[in-house]
Amino acid sequence: DGGITQSPKYLFRKEGQNVTLSCEQNLNHDAMYWYRQDPGQGLRLIYYSQIVNDFQKGDIAEGYSVSREKKESFPLTVTSAQKNPTAFYLCASSIVDNPGGQPQHFGDGTRLSIL
Amino acid sequence: GQQLNQSPQSMFIQEGEDVSMNCTSSSIFNTWLWYKQDPGEGPVLLIALYKAGELTSNGRLTAQFGITRKDSFLNISASIPSDVGIYFCAGQWAGANSKLTFGKGITLSVRP
Repeated sequence: DGGITQSPKYLFRKEGQNVTLSCEQNLNHDAMYWYRQDPGQGLRLIYYSQIVNDFQKGDIAEGYSVSREKKESFPLTVTSAQKNPTAFYLCASSIVDNPGGQPQHFGDGTRLSIL
Repeated sequence: GQQLNQSPQSMFIQEGEDVSMNCTSSSIFNTWLWYKQDPGEGPVLLIALYKAGELTSNGRLTAQFGITRKDSFLNISASIPSDVGIYFCAGQWAGANSKLTFGKGITLSVRP
């Protein structure tokens, strides 16, 4: 089945450590996105990429980094500079269609906690 | 930045009842989307709306794209226990950088 796979489901980070969250999609979508979800705050955009080897900062990019070396993959690194990394992280993908908007489809998320 | 307003934060209904949720914006959008999120999982797309005034159904769900393009509503009829979850609205501009703007979500509880 086509879909978006995020791994791991749960991740623990020690203070001062970088961790990388995986996101893979086999939907042949051009665009991929990373969101952070905190209770009562909805989804906030961290980074997004509309094409391989290119990505843009979202609303809360500080303390995070991404790469887009393959169309199918968009890993997110939570760096030690992110002082409050505990959250639920969601990856999404979509077709890029101009002028019509296209809905994003989401993975099942990774919950990151600090030890 | 743009914000979408969803309220109240929580809703409690009895099984079998209908429920309606609104989403409003200070700006216009070209696309309105409604998602449902179950605990510990990612949001799942329920309905996508692409045209002002459009009314679309998906089973017991009905959603409308407001005429002003600044609002949308979602109606759930004859609620059942599995309707429990968080319902998000999202607005989207058409264009090359068509990011989504999300509301904060409404948590729906259904009493059997």
